[in-house]
Amino acid sequence: DGGITQSPKYLFRKEGQNVTLSCEQNLNHDAMYWYRQDPGQGLRLIYYSQIVNDFQKGDIAEGYSVSREKKESFPLTVTSAQKNPTAFYLCASSIRGSNSPLHFGNGTRLTVT
Amino acid sequence: AQSVTQLGSHVSVSEGALVLLRCNYSSSVPPYLFWYVQYPNQGLQLLLKYTSAATLVKGINGFEAEFKKSETSFHLTKPSAHMSDAAEYFCAVSEDNQGGKLIFGQGTELSVKP
Repeated sequence: DGGITQSPKYLFRKEGQNVTLSCEQNLNHDAMYWYRQDPGQGLRLIYYSQIVNDFQKGDIAEGYSVSREKKESFPLTVTSAQKNPTAFYLCASSIRGSNSPLHFGNGTRLTVT
Repeated sequence: AQSVTQLGSHVSVSEGALVLLRCNYSSSVPPYLFWYVQYPNQGLQLLLKYTSAATLVKGINGFEAEFKKSETSFHLTKPSAHMSDAAEYFCAVSEDNQGGKLIFGQGTELSVKP
C-alpha cells in the first residue's frame, strides 16, 4: 500500500542537540511538506518542497532545516536554535497543484528536555 | 493574506444529534477549501474538499460541507453523530498562487456523548 512513513513515532532529546525526523513516501508525489502541531494552534507550516533539490520556507522555519535529495524523502532537522522544539511534527505529500489534498503521515512526537 | 477561523475549540453533541462545525475563511481569490479529521496521536485524514465544482460537497463518513461565498463560510455538518466521530477536525484553505500549501484553522475537538 502506498503511504507516508514517519519515524520514529516518539523521540526524546536533550536540549542543545540537533535531531533529524524522517519522512518517506511511496506515493510518487512531487510535493512534500512539514507541519508543526501544538495544542490549540492548529498546524503551522515549517518547510515545503515542490520538486527535488528545491524547497521553500514556511511560516515558522527558524531553527529548522530540510533537504530534498530524493523524491521519496524529505527529512527535517530540528536544530538547537529552535527555542521550543517540543511538539508533534507531521509530514505530508501531494500531487503538485493547489487543489490537491495533502496525504499525511502519522507524525513524530518530539520531546526535548 | 488567506486565513481560516474555526469557531469553537470544543463542540459536544449527543449521539444521534446534528453535528455542526463552523469554518470561515479569508481569501483574496477563489479558494480551495478542505476539511480534515485527526484521531489521537495520528496524522490527518481528508474528509472532503471544495474546488468550485459544486457548493455542496459530500465527504466520507456521512459528512458534508457547504461553500457560501457571501458568508465566506465552509461549515461541516453530519445529520446524526456517532461515537466514532469523536476526534479533532481541521478546516484548511489554499490558493492558486500558494504552491499547494495549506493554511489550517486552529481545530475543533468534537466530543460525542452516549
